Amino acid sequence: AQTVTQSQPEMSVQEAETVTLSCTYDTSESDYYLFWYKQPPSRQMILVIRQEAYKQQNATENRFSVNFQKAAKSFSLKISDSQLGDAAMYFCAYRSLWEGAQKLVFGQGTRLTINP
Amino acid sequence: DSGVTQTPKHLITATGQRVTLRCSPRSGDLSVYWYQQSLDQGLQFLIHYYNGEERAKGNILERFSAQQFPDLHSELNLSSLELGDSALYFCASSVGGGHYGYTFGSGTRLTVV
Repeated sequence: AQTVTQSQPEMSVQEAETVTLSCTYDTSESDYYLFWYKQPPSRQMILVIRQEAYKQQNATENRFSVNFQKAAKSFSLKISDSQLGDAAMYFCAYRSLWEGAQKLVFGQGTRLTINP
Repeated sequence: DSGVTQTPKHLITATGQRVTLRCSPRSGDLSVYWYQQSLDQGLQFLIHYYNGEERAKGNILERFSAQQFPDLHSELNLSSLELGDSALYFCASSVGGGHYGYTFGSGTRLTVV
């Protein structure tokens, strides 16, 4: 079974600075999807960014980008120009390509605090 | 508003009781997923329905059951409730298999006293 590990329970960053959240995963599959979700105090789970494992190019969405290292099974999230609204729990998630396993497997989350 | 509607938002009930959580997926989405989020277990997959059929089961207790109706809304039934069932229950939906990610509802906060 696949597992996802987020080794940083909490992180903090100054407003306008850059922060990187770490995620590693364990799988024997060669193709899969990886996601970062954000959960602000409102509890809503919001998709931040998505990466397809067969694409070498790192995904980017505005101030959010990933560093996908397939061989190392690492999928970190970089947030540039941090804003107060970025404060939230961030979850890394894995989805198998196999149609019989469409669930998302989540890490334990990293709580990000933005200091003004 | 994500387009996924969950009701109720909050529920407080006593041990041994039965509750039903409801989810209406985003328009056009055929898949519905249920997740449980607790402090000690994180986000755990419970069950997946696609167009009315059960597709996968995760760590769902026998006391829990779910179904997806012809209009694609889904219900999660929790019975013989225990204190440990207190958690945030999320519903999420996707068009097909969720290759592009899921859209989550805002969750139902269940408190068992």
